[in-house]
Amino acid sequence: QSVLTQPPSASGTPGQRVTISCSGSSSNIGSNNVYWYQQLPGTAPKLLIYKNDQRPSGVPDRFSGSKSGTSASLAISGLRSEDEADYYCAAWDDSLSGVFGGGTKLTVL
Amino acid sequence: EVQLVESGGGLVQPGGSLRLSCAASGLTFSFHWMHWVRQVPGKGLVWVSRINGDGGSTNYADSVKGRFTISRDNAKNTLYLQMNSLRAEDTAVYYCAKAIVRNDMDVWGQGTTVTVSS
Repeated sequence: QSVLTQPPSASGTPGQRVTISCSGSSSNIGSNNVYWYQQLPGTAPKLLIYKNDQRPSGVPDRFSGSKSGTSASLAISGLRSEDEADYYCAAWDDSLSGVFGGGTKLTVL
Repeated sequence: EVQLVESGGGLVQPGGSLRLSCAASGLTFSFHWMHWVRQVPGKGLVWVSRINGDGGSTNYADSVKGRFTISRDNAKNTLYLQMNSLRAEDTAVYYCAKAIVRNDMDVWGQGTTVTVSS
């Protein structure tokens, strides 16, 4: 069981906006930055969002992150077929360990 | 271009040892925190360990503490993970990753597979 809680699945149609939630606690999301990773089938994870809402260069602005209290969200607008992937939230925990969510499988219908 | 290439994975018996390596190129290696993350095929990502730029600060997941040791050789631009007392539940793909600052892993290797089985 993962420390951070994500819905196991999400879906949307092309062009739609979808959000993926990530719930934690005061010792991780509540007091540290949140990161989001995208993992396409058979590939290594890719950093999508860092420091809660920052996008690395090359990540489209269709991807956005937010954080409030002990929860965070990833929003994907203008959904495209190539967005079909697994998405993971992550944070540092004050117990001196990294923690991930269990992952959300996004299906583009 | 920053590149990370893992090696050293393989089949090992329970109780055995293995050392993973992660060769880095295209960056000033000593400037960056580095991480190991593992993933059982079909399952989620699990953080394993991290080390700071000069190797003086390390952290471990509870599940590997006392059995795994992370280290680095900045002269060789290489990150290591020494894994001892291996268990079946350590079977996974192991990724090394570079951090932008500390915990934001922006570059990942392709992974190396560790299988612990008799």
